[in-house]
Amino acid sequence: DADVTQTPRNRITKTGKRIMLECSQTKGHDRMYWYRQDPGLGLRLIYYSFDVKDINKGEISDGYSVSRQAQAKFSLSLESAIPNQTALYFCATSSLSRDTDTQYFGPGTRLTVL
Amino acid sequence: GQNIDQPTEMTATEGAIVQINCTYQTSGFNGLFWYQQHAGEAPTFLSYNVLDGLEEKGRFSSFLSRSKGYSYLLLKELQMKDSASYLCAVMDSNYQLIWGAGTKLIIKP
Repeated sequence: DADVTQTPRNRITKTGKRIMLECSQTKGHDRMYWYRQDPGLGLRLIYYSFDVKDINKGEISDGYSVSRQAQAKFSLSLESAIPNQTALYFCATSSLSRDTDTQYFGPGTRLTVL
Repeated sequence: GQNIDQPTEMTATEGAIVQINCTYQTSGFNGLFWYQQHAGEAPTFLSYNVLDGLEEKGRFSSFLSRSKGYSYLLLKELQMKDSASYLCAVMDSNYQLIWGAGTKLIIKP
């Protein structure tokens, strides 16, 4: 079984719709991250959480919100989707205490906003 | 600002050796990571360097020079499955990962 899972894997939606992407992990890591990746660009950090009660904005948080429901779950929401949020979204986890803070990624969610 | 530079694309021949360079300017340094990413898939961890020198792991090696803000990933005995993008990332003083745009490596028979 995969250590970091994301649902859904693919999603097509319309402008203005609310979308939630979910991430779960069984690695026991305390830190979780949401990134987006666009062709030709590096990974860009949207939000990150170092533990359940800690949520921080990343480089491109506008238009997104997150919820850390438990140590193992971190959800990303697009309150009102727009076409330029079409991208590949990755969740990642890490643990400074266990593993030099190396980030391990989920399989990704391909989101298309029409 | 913070910046990671790596070549956009490289081509190499199966069985050969290729070196992918990465230069960085960041606010502090807490380690440099290399990841491999096949098209449409998740990045997977390859290596981590925090001290100067060469780290070898099978066919892959990674080198770091902190004084020069420079790293390279060396891939030996190239195989067709090594065709992928290779991402360089630096952890800054706030323990945030700063990512390069990636180098697309094309392997030809």
